[in-house]
Amino acid sequence: EVQLLESGGALVQPGGSLRLSCSASGFTFNNYAMSWVRQAPGKGLEWVSAITNSGGDTYHADSVKGRFTISRDNSKNTLYLEMNSLRAEDTAVYYCAKGNRPSRPYYFDYWGQGTLVIASS
Amino acid sequence: EIVLTQSPGTLSLSPGERATLSCRASQSVSSDYLAWYQQKPGQPPRLLIYGVSSRATGIPDRFSGSGSGTDFTLTISRLEPEDFAVYYCQEYGNSRSFGQGTKVEIK
Repeated sequence: EVQLLESGGALVQPGGSLRLSCSASGFTFNNYAMSWVRQAPGKGLEWVSAITNSGGDTYHADSVKGRFTISRDNSKNTLYLEMNSLRAEDTAVYYCAKGNRPSRPYYFDYWGQGTLVIASS
Repeated sequence: EIVLTQSPGTLSLSPGERATLSCRASQSVSSDYLAWYQQKPGQPPRLLIYGVSSRATGIPDRFSGSGSGTDFTLTISRLEPEDFAVYYCQEYGNSRSFGQGTKVEIK
């Protein structure tokens, strides 16, 4: 059974930093691309960042480019999102999502339960 | 970036009725890279449809997807109580963008 378990969400002041983690199990982690997708309270889904199966290529939405960094440790079956210079508009539930292929194009066939990030003073 | 516009914003229907949800893209979606997801309150999204019309594992056949180019449709043939939720389309060949969602609520 595929399982994705996010952690690291917290209340942080604007301008602060946070690192999210997503622990994966139930599939061969290094065979699939992964992404982070967020959802602000009461709003829709927004793709944030993506990484290929090997970690060789990463992609970020314009809204987070230069502030967020996606990475993965295939030896630990774990996906990360390093978030710097956080803004109020980054407040959201952050979902870890598994791609159905090692690289683009891919849809998201499994999602974690999400972790809440609140950027507020 | 491809922008997806979903309509209507809210669909009020009764169990047993047919639901038709629309997703329109700002430019042609290449190679049918269009997916649909269902999200219930407090839950993560769940994949329903990929490649415009292929049902994901375990998705009942009352859900169907159709369309091409810039116009796509998700149809729920007969609404069950568990189908009342928010539905999102996503283009995954180019920008990975999502539509803003359509809420299917009980009338």
